[in-house]
Amino acid sequence: GAVVSQHPSWVICKSGTSVKIECRSLDFQATTMFWYRQFPKQSLMLMATSNEGSKATYEQGVEKDKFLINHASLTLSTLTVTSAHPEDSSFYICSARDPFSGANVLTFGAGSRLTVL
Amino acid sequence: RKEVEQDPGPFNVPEGATVAFNCTYSNSASQSFFWYRQDCRKEPKLLMSVYSSGNEDGRFTAQLNRASQYISLLIRDSKLSDSATYLCVVNSGGYQKVTFGTGTKLQVIP
Repeated sequence: GAVVSQHPSWVICKSGTSVKIECRSLDFQATTMFWYRQFPKQSLMLMATSNEGSKATYEQGVEKDKFLINHASLTLSTLTVTSAHPEDSSFYICSARDPFSGANVLTFGAGSRLTVL
Repeated sequence: RKEVEQDPGPFNVPEGATVAFNCTYSNSASQSFFWYRQDCRKEPKLLMSVYSSGNEDGRFTAQLNRASQYISLLIRDSKLSDSATYLCVVNSGGYQKVTFGTGTKLQVIP
């Protein structure tokens, strides 16, 4: 099946710094990737849809200037949390459509746990 | 009303027991349905898709009831390794319309 690699798996940073998270499709090309955020005991919430070669589409309430998304190639999307604050501490997960499975099946990266001090 | 609702649990069941979870959805136009499994601090992984006629995969059975707008997951002969959170996922058209439930936590005890 499709494999999505996400890095780093965890990061601790100081308030005010920026953190970049990478999401790579290893054995397939992904023109579209999705970024989610999950707070403890809550469901995955779609933050934005990353489109290769064009601007990301952000969900309502997600600040595009704070969460910068770049999808520069068919296998890599990056999420940069700019000027991170403690309330940004969360589990960030990316996903892409699994081309080897049925319609609408998503495969996920392992997630990145961000802790902002 | 939430788009996708699940009982958060936890469901604590002994090994070998049969356990069932339900998940209700509010959008009658929803097209496809899935159960994902998420272990603590890990990413969700597809457990099984849910087909209109119901489907079975080993000890797991998924069913869809469009009239009442819910899907179910039945686990027979529970194993310790089944302990996880089970996420109900509903797709209402396109990948941007994928909605996750909050998950139902299952704890299988020896």
